[in-house]
Amino acid sequence: EAQVTQNPRYLITVTGKKLTVTCSQNMNHEYMSWYRQDPGLGLRQIYYSMNVEVTDKGDVPEGYKVSRKEKRNFPLILESPSPNQTSLYFCASSFGTNTEAFFGQGTRLTVV
Amino acid sequence: EDQVTQSPEALRLQEGESSSLNCSYTVSGLRGLFWYRQDPGKGPEFLFTLYSAGEEKEKERLKATLTKKESFLHITAPKPEDSATYLCAVHKHTGFQKLVFGTGTRLLVSP
Repeated sequence: EAQVTQNPRYLITVTGKKLTVTCSQNMNHEYMSWYRQDPGLGLRQIYYSMNVEVTDKGDVPEGYKVSRKEKRNFPLILESPSPNQTSLYFCASSFGTNTEAFFGQGTRLTVV
Repeated sequence: EDQVTQSPEALRLQEGESSSLNCSYTVSGLRGLFWYRQDPGKGPEFLFTLYSAGEEKEKERLKATLTKKESFLHITAPKPEDSATYLCAVHKHTGFQKLVFGTGTRLLVSP
């Protein structure tokens, strides 16, 4: 089954404790992105990647890092999480630059 | 500034009561407009892509249309299972899939 898998689904952590949210897709897509979704603000792009070792900032990259060492994986790293990063996070992948994006199930992160 | 505005924020319909959701946009160099459906606790699920004004696409009870300034998602004779949040996103001409999302319309269809 074609899918984008994120882990964990739920995470509660404390301010400053480094964490990684994993994302993996099995569709051989070149393009992958991370979004955060907040009430009243919609989905906002954090980072994207056009291929292995090629990444760039989206609209809200501050406080986040990404890496793309393999085509299928695109982890999101919060090196020193803060409460304003409490949000619902989605990973997405797509075949082309202007084609439909497939989204993961989401990771609900709470930073206390 | 690029902007996508969806209306209404929320919509309550009776089963069988047709209606339309609106997505208006101001973005330079539109490459495509996407409609997604999002169920509570899940990721957005792709519905349609529209690329040029005048284009229409249909899927079951849903029909999406596009003009130069807005898109409509028409829901004909909705059923309770159509209840979800419907998201609109536009893809700009520059940059890889620079999607700008609206905040969505929450649709509730009552039996």
